[in-house]
Amino acid sequence: GAGVSQSPSNKVTEKGKDVELRCDPISGHTALYWYRQSLGQGLEFLIYFQGNSAPDKSGLPSDRFSAERTGGSVSTLTIQRTQQEDSAVYLCASSTRQGSGNTIYFGEGSWLTVV
Amino acid sequence: AQTVTQSQPEMSVQEAETVTLSCTYDTSESDYYLFWYKQPPSRQMILVIRQEAYKQQNATENRFSVNFQKAAKSFSLKISDSQLGDAAMYFCAYRSASNDMRFGAGTRLTVKP
Repeated sequence: GAGVSQSPSNKVTEKGKDVELRCDPISGHTALYWYRQSLGQGLEFLIYFQGNSAPDKSGLPSDRFSAERTGGSVSTLTIQRTQQEDSAVYLCASSTRQGSGNTIYFGEGSWLTVV
Repeated sequence: AQTVTQSQPEMSVQEAETVTLSCTYDTSESDYYLFWYKQPPSRQMILVIRQEAYKQQNATENRFSVNFQKAAKSFSLKISDSQLGDAAMYFCAYRSASNDMRFGAGTRLTVKP
């Protein structure tokens, strides 16, 4: 696709259930980022991938959160046993690897509500 | 990991006036990039301007310019001739040579007509 695609755009889930959020980056982009944004707040770094590997996983809030990327393309962020404090917008972004000055492009986000 | 600090949670400016948004960062690296992103109510992140750390000249993009002070690790954004459409959340961001990218907490800008 032309841009970063995220799905679902909105998800309401019951507390304790697992959710999977998907990010399809721009074709050819090797760097992929996940951020979390609570209502009216800043972007909290979760994890980023360079190809299929994640150099820094320290941003994941707890061991209920995991992310993977296969084939250097699509990434999934999984939240197990969701809690109400997990409610937020989860933003994905991607960029080319060549030069850290390259712009990163964001998807429209997945809005997660845990009830 | 690097940290990015935006000390102004909210700012307001009169239409057609100039406003400056502050940003500081902490790093031990010499090669990095700095960005300002805008997030309107639509939630879409829009790149406003970027600065390469190795360049001494401040970046400019139409009404938007930065004051990059490398030694002070400061990267402020100046918006001239503010317009109603400039109202948004503004995020400062740091990107390392390894492509790790971190954002500040944001500054909500209100433009008064």
